[in-house]
Amino acid sequence: GQNIDQPTEMTATEGAIVQINCTYQTSGFNGLFWYQQHAGEAPTFLSYNVLDGLEEKGRFSSFLSRSKGYSYLLLKELQMKDSASYLCAGATNKLIFGTGTLLAVQP
Amino acid sequence: DGGITQSPKYLFRKEGQNVTLSCEQNLNHDAMYWYRQDPGQGLRLIYYSQIVNDFQKGDIAEGYSVSREKKESFPLTVTSAQKNPTAFYLCASSTTGGVYGYTFGSGTRLTVV
Repeated sequence: GQNIDQPTEMTATEGAIVQINCTYQTSGFNGLFWYQQHAGEAPTFLSYNVLDGLEEKGRFSSFLSRSKGYSYLLLKELQMKDSASYLCAGATNKLIFGTGTLLAVQP
Repeated sequence: DGGITQSPKYLFRKEGQNVTLSCEQNLNHDAMYWYRQDPGQGLRLIYYSQIVNDFQKGDIAEGYSVSREKKESFPLTVTSAQKNPTAFYLCASSTTGGVYGYTFGSGTRLTVV
């Protein structure tokens, strides 16, 4: 199967760091995507990991371990506007999404 | 500017009626996808197409149909056989294999009354 698991909800404080984990059970993924989605809007691309290791992009970083079927998204210096759902998706010849993690950033 | 357009943004239909959602892209992408999203949930794949005149079922294809007669267009028909059609529908496109990323449309919110 291609199950992708993420925590349903997380809460963090403005200015803090939060790590959103994603685990998956498949050997067929070419890479792993992270998307941000605000309510009622389309997902927007955050990062794509095809090789093991850490990819850093400003306040956002993403890590992948293919052997462990594990990825995480790290958000630093949290801002209120970061309150959104964060979707982990495995890539084959299509994107398979996890259920998403709803992040609430509190003052 | 290149992009992917879904129309309409909001759609209301009576139960038992078929309805077609439009998706057009001018990115010259070979692959196109339809996803469904229910409140508080992730995206579930309905249908996808890697090339013109060919498409495959995703995880929840029952009650839906698609066509891919042109590279730019991938309309989705929600038929009366779909038991619970009210949802947010997202169309996406990508280059073959998706290695350069996937582009999403802004979505169509379908409400069946």
